[in-house]
Amino acid sequence: QVQLVQSGADVKNPGASVKISCEAPGDTFITFYVHWVRQAPGQALEWLGVIDPSGATTNYAQMFQGRVTMTRETSTSTVYMELSSLRSDDTAVYYCATGGSSGSGFNAFEHWGQGTLVKVSS
Amino acid sequence: DIVMTQSPDSLAVSLGERATISCKSSQRVFDNSNKKNFLAWYQQKPGQPPKLLFYWASTRESGVPDRFSGSGSGTDFTLTISSLQAEDVAVYYCQQYYNTPFTFGPGTRVDV
Repeated sequence: QVQLVQSGADVKNPGASVKISCEAPGDTFITFYVHWVRQAPGQALEWLGVIDPSGATTNYAQMFQGRVTMTRETSTSTVYMELSSLRSDDTAVYYCATGGSSGSGFNAFEHWGQGTLVKVSS
Repeated sequence: DIVMTQSPDSLAVSLGERATISCKSSQRVFDNSNKKNFLAWYQQKPGQPPKLLFYWASTRESGVPDRFSGSGSGTDFTLTISSLQAEDVAVYYCQQYYNTPFTFGPGTRVDV
């Protein structure tokens, strides 16, 4: 079973950046695509993008292009998601999730992190 | 982008009764090469991350009770809970993973 552990909640001022980590100890994590999904209070799930197992390729949702960066440290089995130029409507719980592997391509999101609350407020 | 819609927005079902949720995609999410529908269902309870129930539209994830079933193909899909239990109270989301951006439906709240 893959357990994804995310960094803790954060409060940011408008215009700042936030960087969230997602770690899963073990060898299998490095074979997974890792997606980022967010959920504003009381709202539906929204996909931000995905990073491939090697960390070389990312695919971001157009509405976040230019503001989001996903990176991967294979040595520490950690994936990061940084969102810049934060606005109040970026206040949400951000989740990482595995969805597919280098052997199978994209798949449904089987394993999820516990979520990281990011509050954007002045 | 593929737009996912769900109906109803919410429903209340008596314990032991059937609950049915519909999900429609604006484009087909069926892949002709592997003959699969790239459609998943998730259950989310308050304060928890989503939990995968079904992938490929009808393949039940390990550990999911068999009172849950997923069906459909192309653009029309259904999640059915054959006999609602108290622990099934949650919001249910469908999602397509056929094309990026991978989009979710707006969710259906199921209550007793």
